[in-house]
Amino acid sequence: EAQVTQNPRYLITVTGKKLTVTCSQNMNHEYMSWYRQDPGLGLRQIYYSMNVEVTDKGDVPEGYKVSRKEKRNFPLILESPSPNQTSLYFCASSLGTGVEQYFGPGTRLTVT
Amino acid sequence: GEDVEQSLFLSVREGDSSVINCTYTDSSSTYLYWYKQEPGAGLQLLTYIFSNMDMKQDQRLTVLLNKKDKHLSLRIADTQTGDSAIYFCAGGPWGGGNKLTFGTGTQLKVEL
Repeated sequence: EAQVTQNPRYLITVTGKKLTVTCSQNMNHEYMSWYRQDPGLGLRQIYYSMNVEVTDKGDVPEGYKVSRKEKRNFPLILESPSPNQTSLYFCASSLGTGVEQYFGPGTRLTVT
Repeated sequence: GEDVEQSLFLSVREGDSSVINCTYTDSSSTYLYWYKQEPGAGLQLLTYIFSNMDMKQDQRLTVLLNKKDKHLSLRIADTQTGDSAIYFCAGGPWGGGNKLTFGTGTQLKVEL
């Protein structure tokens, strides 16, 4: 089954404790993205990647890191999480630009 | 960067038509999309339109694009309770990798 998976689905952590949210797709897609969804703000793109070892900042990259060492994986790293990073995070992938993005189920992160 | 605005709420009766509106600022957006998010789920692509088109129809869905006013709308004919969800419009430039800008989302509530 073609899908985008994210882990964990729910995470509660404390300020400053490094964490990684994994994202994996099995569709051999070149493009992958991370978004955060906040009430009243919609989805905002954090980072995106056009291929292995090619990443670029989205609209809200501060406080986040990503890596793309393999085509299927695109982890999101929070080196020192803060409460303002409490949000719902989505990973997405697509075959190319301008085509359908497939979204993961979301990761709800709470930073206390 | 691009700004994409939507009204936050829309309530319609079952069987009526729903019209969800979106305005955007960046005229270079080549692709304009409508995504649907059901409760607790990720986003699902409903339809999209290229900027050189004025209208696109797909079964119960009609997308209208007014490039002069930078206005995009999604009409859902014969709205059903299963259409209750949050609807996001999004825009992206040609060759922008996967750099999409999403609107704030419109919560559609369908009443019996």
